[in-house]
Amino acid sequence: EAQVTQNPRYLITVTGKKLTVTCSQNMNHEYMSWYRQDPGLGLRQIYYSMNVEVTDKGDVPEGYKVSRKEKRNFPLILESPSPNQTSLYFCASSLWGNQPQHFGDGTRLSIL
Amino acid sequence: EDQVTQSPEALRLQEGESSSLNCSYTVSGLRGLFWYRQDPGKGPEFLFTLYSAGEEKEKERLKATLTKKESFLHITAPKPEDSATYLCAVLGGGSEKLVFGKGTKLTVNP
Repeated sequence: EAQVTQNPRYLITVTGKKLTVTCSQNMNHEYMSWYRQDPGLGLRQIYYSMNVEVTDKGDVPEGYKVSRKEKRNFPLILESPSPNQTSLYFCASSLWGNQPQHFGDGTRLSIL
Repeated sequence: EDQVTQSPEALRLQEGESSSLNCSYTVSGLRGLFWYRQDPGKGPEFLFTLYSAGEEKEKERLKATLTKKESFLHITAPKPEDSATYLCAVLGGGSEKLVFGKGTKLTVNP
């Protein structure tokens, strides 16, 4: 089954404790992306990747890092999480940048 | 900067009462306009892609249309299972960033 898998689905942690949210897709897609979704603000793009070792900033990249060492994986790293990064996060992938994106089921992150 | 505005923010319909959702956009060189459906607690689910003005796509009770400034999602004779938040997104010619609107929350009452 074609899918985008995120882990963990839920995480409660504390300020400053580094964390990684993993994302994996099994569709051999070139393009992958991370979004955060907040009430009243909608979905906002954090980072995206056009291919292995090619990443670029979205609209809200501050406080986040990504890497794309393999085509299927695109982890999101919060080096020093802060409460304003409490949000619902989605990973997505598509064949190319102008193709429809397939979304994961989301990761709800709470930073105390 | 690419921008997307969706209206209304929320819409309540009776079952069978047709209506339309609006997505207005400003973008330099539209490369694609996307409609998604999102159910509570789930990731967005792809519905349609439109690439050029005049294009239309249909799927069951939904029909998406595109002009040079806006897109409409027409819902014909909706059912309660059509209740969801509908998201519009655009991809402009300036970058590979996808910009989403804030969505329209549709509620269809039986």
